[in-house]
Amino acid sequence: GAVVSQHPSWVICKSGTSVKIECRSLDFQATTMFWYRQFPKQSLMLMATSNEGSKATYEQGVEKDKFLINHASLTLSTLTVTSAHPEDSSFYICSARGLLDGTNTEAFFGQGTRLTVV
Amino acid sequence: GQQLNQSPQSMFIQEGEDVSMNCTSSSIFNTWLWYKQEPGEGPVLLIALYKAGELTSNGRLTAQFGITRKDSFLNISASIPSDVGIYFCAGTYFGNEKLTFGTGTRLTIIP
Repeated sequence: GAVVSQHPSWVICKSGTSVKIECRSLDFQATTMFWYRQFPKQSLMLMATSNEGSKATYEQGVEKDKFLINHASLTLSTLTVTSAHPEDSSFYICSARGLLDGTNTEAFFGQGTRLTVV
Repeated sequence: GQQLNQSPQSMFIQEGEDVSMNCTSSSIFNTWLWYKQEPGEGPVLLIALYKAGELTSNGRLTAQFGITRKDSFLNISASIPSDVGIYFCAGTYFGNEKLTFGTGTRLTIIP
């Protein structure tokens, strides 16, 4: 149980275009989803927290207009990188926690998305 | 903000050896988690700890929640090649769902 699926696993896009990354909880209701960014050989940096049906809460220094987060259902959250630039190239990872068999889960992570902006 | 310091940063060990790594915090946490991340993948939850002093095992892995609530350690016994990866501690503190991650310990196993 507690499977989180992220798609795509990698994407290459041209500078100035937008990219959408999906995060799905496959077998539980994800009341809260988190989006992280990870630079090479570094730890995970939390970008934002989203609760189903509510606006995302962004961490300090993260541009909410650039990284659009939507958590429209209990199984899906999306991160859209708008007007992407090469410096946005990174590994983006989502995680989700919620209810599985009536029990609150810890955070389970997706497989990550490698974004390369050229 | 909260910070978790993990040590060592990296380890090079021979197959079959035991491994020990720890994580310390400047503040009290009420949950400690240990994750493993392999290249190009998301972290995978290994062990979750909820009570001060709790000692929990998952196969060859053992982790403990420090009495002071400010530290945790992870031990791996009889390491095997598939143990290679980066191990992260993470924690949450009262009233906050967000995970604070440690700096990571990179484990390399020499055949």
